[in-house]
Amino acid sequence: AQTVTQSQPEMSVQEAETVTLSCTYDTSENNYYLFWYKQPPSRQMILVIRQEAYKQQNATENRFSVNFQKAAKSFSLKISDSQLGDTAMYFCAFMNPVIAGANNLFFGTGTRLTVIP
Amino acid sequence: DTEVTQTPKHLVMGMTNKKSLKCEQHMGHRAMYWYKQKAKKPPELMFVYSYEKLSINESVPSRFSPECPNSSLLNLHLHALQPEDSALYLCASSQDSAANTEAFFGQGTRLTVV
Repeated sequence: AQTVTQSQPEMSVQEAETVTLSCTYDTSENNYYLFWYKQPPSRQMILVIRQEAYKQQNATENRFSVNFQKAAKSFSLKISDSQLGDTAMYFCAFMNPVIAGANNLFFGTGTRLTVIP
Repeated sequence: DTEVTQTPKHLVMGMTNKKSLKCEQHMGHRAMYWYKQKAKKPPELMFVYSYEKLSINESVPSRFSPECPNSSLLNLHLHALQPEDSALYLCASSQDSAANTEAFFGQGTRLTVV
């Protein structure tokens, strides 16, 4: 079974500063996908960034980047130049493509990030 | 159009009521999903439809009945719910159910059972 752990229930960061959200996971699979989703007060889950486990290069999307450590089963999210609009709940998620027909995302418990003006 | 639209946004229903949640997407996606999210918890998968056929039912009670009338629509019929079923119900879609496709989420229906 897969588990996803986010050990930081809440974090805050000053506007324009950098913050890192941590995520660890447990799986016996070798090929899988990892995601960070953002859920603002509007409630809509928005994909922030994704990482394929077979890729060694860390994914980046503008101000968002990940530090993927496959051996340590760690997948942290770094947000640079934090903006007020980054205030949201952030979920780390795992997907195992071995399960046929199942685009089944396993979510961590989330980290509530507040960007302080 | 990259939207998944859910209606209604809020719903209050009694335990004897029958209601339906609706989800619509026009991205040509062939996989659609229902997730349940309790307060301060992560979303949990309920159902997966792939090419209008139910492919996953995560042991959801029969008082929740999904329906996929066509590739753009997904309904969740509710009957005889319990107060503990109160939650945010999220619909999502993806190009197909293969793992390497992004899931797009709607804004959810906040359901309160009284």
